[in-house]
Amino acid sequence: GAVVSQHPSRVICKSGTSVKIECRSLDFQATTMFWYRQFPKQSLMLMATSNEGSKATYEQGVEKDKFLINHASLTLSTLTVTSAHPEDSSFYICSSIVPQGTEAFFGQGTRLTVV
Amino acid sequence: RKEVEQDPGPFNVPEGATVAFNCTYSNSASQSFFWYRQDCRKEPKLLMSVYSSGNEDGRFTAQLNRASQYISLLIRDSKLSDSATYLCVVNYGQNFVFGPGTRLSVLP
Repeated sequence: GAVVSQHPSRVICKSGTSVKIECRSLDFQATTMFWYRQFPKQSLMLMATSNEGSKATYEQGVEKDKFLINHASLTLSTLTVTSAHPEDSSFYICSSIVPQGTEAFFGQGTRLTVV
Repeated sequence: RKEVEQDPGPFNVPEGATVAFNCTYSNSASQSFFWYRQDCRKEPKLLMSVYSSGNEDGRFTAQLNRASQYISLLIRDSKLSDSATYLCVVNYGQNFVFGPGTRLSVLP
C-alpha cells in the first residue's frame, strides 16, 4: 500500500516554543493531506485539510494562526504548532488518499508533549 | 447528533469469543465505509472496507445496511492480538469521518 512518512514520532518541547511536524508521501502524489489530532481515549478529530499549492481549510474551532499548515509540494505537508502550550499536548497524525483511491493512509503519528 | 456513532465499549471478552461492533452514520450521501484498527499510541490501519453485499476476511465479517445507515463488524474466534480500538470510518468525497472507536480487550 501507499506510504505516508511522518516525522518526528515523538517530541517534547517547552511552553512557548514552536514545533514542526512533517508528512511525506513516499510513493504517490498527495494532492490533499488531512491533519488530525487525538486526545487520550478520544477519536481522531480533523483539524484541517491542506491542498498542494493553496491555503489549508481549517475545521471550526481550530486556530489557523496557531496551527500553520504548509503544503508546498505534492509530497510534503507540514504542520507547525506555534507558541505551544501544555493543552496542545496530543497525538497529531496526517493522512492522505492515493489519487483515484478511497482508502486513507496514515502517517505514524507524532506525540507532542509540551512542558 | 454525531456523524458517526459506535458502541461505547469497552468490550472485554475471553479468547475464542465472538464479538460484534455496531456503527451508525448520519450522512446519507456517504459513499465508502471502512473499519480501521488502532493500537495504543499508533496510527490507525485499515482492517477492511465494507461493501453493501457484505464481505468476509478470515475471522472478520463486515456488513453494511445503507437503508438503515448501519455498519457492523463481527470477529469470530477472537485472539489476544485482536485487542485494539476499532474505528468505523465513513467517507464522502474527500471527507473521512471517524467514529469514536470501540475498545476491545481479549482476555486469556
